Amino acid sequence: RKEVEQDPGPFNVPEGATVAFNCTYSNSASQSFFWYRQDCRKEPKLLMSVYSSGNEDGRFTAQLNRASQYISLLIRDSKLSDSATYLCVARGNAGNMLTFGGGTRLMVKP
Amino acid sequence: DGGITQSPKYLFRKEGQNVTLSCEQNLNHDAMYWYRQDPGQGLRLIYYSQIVNDFQKGDIAEGYSVSREKKESFPLTVTSAQKNPTAFYLCASGTRLTDTQYFGPGTRLTVL
Repeated sequence: RKEVEQDPGPFNVPEGATVAFNCTYSNSASQSFFWYRQDCRKEPKLLMSVYSSGNEDGRFTAQLNRASQYISLLIRDSKLSDSATYLCVARGNAGNMLTFGGGTRLMVKP
Repeated sequence: DGGITQSPKYLFRKEGQNVTLSCEQNLNHDAMYWYRQDPGQGLRLIYYSQIVNDFQKGDIAEGYSVSREKKESFPLTVTSAQKNPTAFYLCASGTRLTDTQYFGPGTRLTVL
């Protein structure tokens, strides 16, 4: 079983739609979680950190459920520019190591 | 401009040759990391370094080597022992006290 699992997609949604991605992690000792965005053939860029209380940044909302060991990302009012691969990331408790999921590909269509 | 630079952006090498990928950062970060990404897959950790003159193996270190002689620089050598070297290589850096890692633009290595 992979340490961080994501549905690879692609998720094809129309502009303006709301879309949600889930990610599960297997290491219950994981301390921090993040969503990164990666455009085609580019480096990942930090989208947002995920806090236990949930956090929101504009159209993006991230949630953490420690009991069920999953993280979610909600994107409201999707834009064409949101088309990318979204990487779910968990950090363990040694050496600041990050474990990456395989990514979920989002395609927003006009 | 502060940031992480990697060079070259594209690299082609013949099978059996060693090749060194450059990674430089001017963010004053203590920690630096090398990842490999294969098509449709997540990033896998090759090596990391928390301080100068010290580095640790990641999950897939076989066939790779690194050095950390300066805080700003963390070059990765892909040796001929690496069986499938063609991949997208990403360097990252971060402070020791925070969680966030920032990535360079990557080097796409193709072995012919």
